[in-house]
Amino acid sequence: GENVEQHPSTLSVQEGDSAVIKCTYSDSASNYFPWYKQELGKGPQLIIDIRSNVGEKKDQRIAVTLNKTAKHFSLHITETQPEDSAVYFCAASEPPSNTGKLIFGQGTTLQVKP
Amino acid sequence: DADVTQTPRNRITKTGKRIMLECSQTKGHDRMYWYRQDPGLGLRLIYYSFDVKDINKGEISDGYSVSRQAQAKFSLSLESAIPNQTALYFCATSDGGNIYEQYFGPGTRLTVT
Repeated sequence: GENVEQHPSTLSVQEGDSAVIKCTYSDSASNYFPWYKQELGKGPQLIIDIRSNVGEKKDQRIAVTLNKTAKHFSLHITETQPEDSAVYFCAASEPPSNTGKLIFGQGTTLQVKP
Repeated sequence: DADVTQTPRNRITKTGKRIMLECSQTKGHDRMYWYRQDPGLGLRLIYYSFDVKDINKGEISDGYSVSRQAQAKFSLSLESAIPNQTALYFCATSDGGNIYEQYFGPGTRLTVT
């Protein structure tokens, strides 16, 4: 089955700096890659996603890149702000494509220092 | 997300007790999921349901059972709780428009002593 590895487990940056979180996946048939943000005491919330037919997607300060050949994808946050502090999870769809199942990475705790 | 609610939000129980966690949604989604979250392990799928009559095991279903009472309600039961089931439990929903875009509830923190 699909396996997703996420790094780093913790990341600390200064406000205004960029943050990058990386994930690798094992099943080349996976075709959907979402990123979730989990704030303290809340459930994960989808912040951006990318499909396998796209190499990059941006939404304001966040962007996701996908390298299908290397089977890795990354989340980029620019001009970080204290409110970006949270746990971030990557995920990959588990084939076959009709199940809706996601396999999640281990999570990255991002701390943005004012 | 207020559209997906979970009860209780916190629960402490003893080893061997039966406990039920409940999830309700007003999003009208047909698919529902139960996950558990442990530090360093991310979110792992326990059970998922495509509709009231279609329930499937996830990667860690041992020790758990579920019931889909209606399209909007999906309950998770621990028949005989054990300490290593101490975790944060999340319910999620998705629909046919994008079956992978999942909406999560606020979670239930369960402690088994």
